[in-house]
Amino acid sequence: GQQLNQSPQSMFIQEGEDVSMNCTSSSIFNTWLWYKQEPGEGPVLLIALYKAGELTSNGRLTAQFGITRKDSFLNISASIPSDVGIYFCAGQPINTGTASKLTFGTGTRLQVTL
Amino acid sequence: NAGVTQTPKFQVLKTGQSMTLQCAQDMNHNSMYWYRQDPGMGLRLIYYSASEGTTDKGEVPNGYNVSRLNKREFSLRLESAAPSQTSVYFCASIRGLAGRTGELFFGEGSRLTVL
Repeated sequence: GQQLNQSPQSMFIQEGEDVSMNCTSSSIFNTWLWYKQEPGEGPVLLIALYKAGELTSNGRLTAQFGITRKDSFLNISASIPSDVGIYFCAGQPINTGTASKLTFGTGTRLQVTL
Repeated sequence: NAGVTQTPKFQVLKTGQSMTLQCAQDMNHNSMYWYRQDPGMGLRLIYYSASEGTTDKGEVPNGYNVSRLNKREFSLRLESAAPSQTSVYFCASIRGLAGRTGELFFGEGSRLTVL
């Protein structure tokens, strides 16, 4: 199946710092999504991207759909303790019109210290 | 607003035992999915149901069966559990808006341990 490389695997940051993480694919995607998972919960959608070059914000979160269609970035500004969790990227290959083709990254575990 | 509800949340099985994970959604979504989540592996699709009355295999279907009982409910069955099936299982459903095929809504997960 598809391979998504998500980095970094984990991050330990101080409250107030900015965070950046990214996902790269070996093939072209037409959809990029970013999910957050908190302990004991299922993933929750943060941002969805549908066009190459698209830049979308959700509060302190900003994500971009790479121009090459093979990567995506998520930035979190001024981190706070409740940002703790695992962030997953997910991508849908081009010319597939169903969520059954979504591929998930392995996640970035974010820890925020006071 | 319950969203996607999974039961049970925790289960311990012995090798060879069978069990069914239940999932129900109250959002009138057409498509439902079962994923498993293992450390370092991300989420992998086991089976999905694009609409009521249809089911299809995902990336890792071996050892599992599913039933789309009605539009609301989608169950996952392990006929003869194996230690390799120790995992956290997530059910998800999707709104199905045209072109918006990634906006999955997930349940809280079912943690299964097979001894």
